[in-house]
Amino acid sequence: QVQLVQSGDEVKKPGASVKVSCEASGYTFTSHGITWVRQAPGQGLEWVGWISPHNGDTKYARKLVGRVTLTTDRSTKTAYMELRGLISDDTAMYYCVRIAVGGARPPFDYWGQGTLVTVSS
Amino acid sequence: QSVLTQPPSVSGAPGQRVTISCIGSTSNIGAGNDVHWYQQLPGTTPKVLIYDNNNRPSGVPDRISGSKSGTSASLVITGLQAEDEADYYCQSYDNSLDGRVFGGGTTLTVL
Repeated sequence: QVQLVQSGDEVKKPGASVKVSCEASGYTFTSHGITWVRQAPGQGLEWVGWISPHNGDTKYARKLVGRVTLTTDRSTKTAYMELRGLISDDTAMYYCVRIAVGGARPPFDYWGQGTLVTVSS
Repeated sequence: QSVLTQPPSVSGAPGQRVTISCIGSTSNIGAGNDVHWYQQLPGTTPKVLIYDNNNRPSGVPDRISGSKSGTSASLVITGLQAEDEADYYCQSYDNSLDGRVFGGGTTLTVL
C-alpha cells in the first residue's frame, strides 16, 4: 500500500532552517509528483511547492520563493523540504503529498502523516 | 486572503442537502482549470472527495457531487449524516500565480 512517512516534529528559532523528510513506499517513486502543503494551527491548507522525482523539476509558491527548496533522493525514495529564514508565520503542520496521475493537474491522492514545525524564540 | 473563496461555515440537519461554493476568477477556475475537493475530518489528513470537477474516487458515496460553471465550482452533499461533519477545501490551479491554490475552507456542521 502507498505510504508517505515523514520525519518528526521540529522546534526552531526565528531565522533558523528546517529540513523535513518524506519516505515513500508502495509505488514507483518516479511515476508521481510530490507536493508539499502546510496548515497553520486552526487554519486552512496552503500549497508550498511541487517536485518531479523523475527529473527534479520544481515549482514553488510565490510567497516562499527564495526560502524553500524541494529535493528528492531516488535511491532512497525520499523527498525533502527545506525552509530557511524561519519566521513565526511558518509555524504549521507540513504535509508531504503524492500527486495522482492523469489529467493536466491531478489531485493530491496520498498524504503523509504531517510534521509539525514550530518557530519560537 | 485565499485566491478561491469559500463560505467559512455551512450547516444542515441530518437528511438535508447543503451546498458549498468555491468562487474563483478568470486566472484559475474560469481559465478552464479543474477543481478538486478535499474533506478533512477532525484530527486527520485531507482526503480527495471530488476530482476533476465532478468525479468521485471509489468509496465516495453518490450523495456527494461536484460541479463547475464559469469562474466557480460547487460541492453538494445530500442526505446529510453526522459523519459528514468536517472541513471542506476546494483546489485548483492559478495561471497567474503559476501554482496550485486552495480555498479558505468551509466547516460543515450537522445540526
